[in-house]
Amino acid sequence: GAVVSQHPSRVICKSGTSVKIECRSLDFQATTMFWYRQFPKQSLMLMATSNEGSKATYEQGVEKDKFLINHASLTLSTLTVTSAHPEDSSFYICSARDSSYNSPLHFGNGTRLTVT
Amino acid sequence: AQRVTQPEKLLSVFKGAPVELKCNYSYSGSPELFWYVQYSRQRLQLLLRHISRESIKGFTADLNKGETSFHLKKPFAQEEDSAMYYCALEGGTSYGKLTFGQGTILTVHP
Repeated sequence: GAVVSQHPSRVICKSGTSVKIECRSLDFQATTMFWYRQFPKQSLMLMATSNEGSKATYEQGVEKDKFLINHASLTLSTLTVTSAHPEDSSFYICSARDSSYNSPLHFGNGTRLTVT
Repeated sequence: AQRVTQPEKLLSVFKGAPVELKCNYSYSGSPELFWYVQYSRQRLQLLLRHISRESIKGFTADLNKGETSFHLKKPFAQEEDSAMYYCALEGGTSYGKLTFGQGTILTVHP
């Protein structure tokens, strides 16, 4: 079945540095991918919609300059957390859907980011 | 605005007992509703969607527009059903953008 690969699964970085998270659709093409954030013991919150070949669409309250999204190909979207701070520590999950209509969303395994 | 509420954070039942995980939603149009499951140390995966009207792993969910609910049910719970369950809503114009409930951790005791 369709698989979404997310890398890395865990990352620890120092405050002020930037971290890049990759999301790949392994056996299907995805014109649209989605980035979610999950705080401990809370639900998944949609951060942004990543569109292949165009700018990402950010949800209200999400800083586009802080969370840079690039969707350069039909199988890869990246989320870069710039100038990370401890409050950016969270679990980030991407999802993607096969471009064919009515296919379900497939989720990556998530990335645990810890900013020290 | 769309909203999904799962009132129970934790739900414990014994093996063989019926189980119902509650989900209520708020949306002005015609929503598409899903149940996702996350087993220990695994990724989130689709369990079922209301438009399919199917039973997966013995689970069913009926969309009740009058009560704005989409409760997940299974008549006889199994230990392997223990997992985190999320109810999610996709609005009509928000293709692929899901609003999740807070999740319910189901524990099935032997």
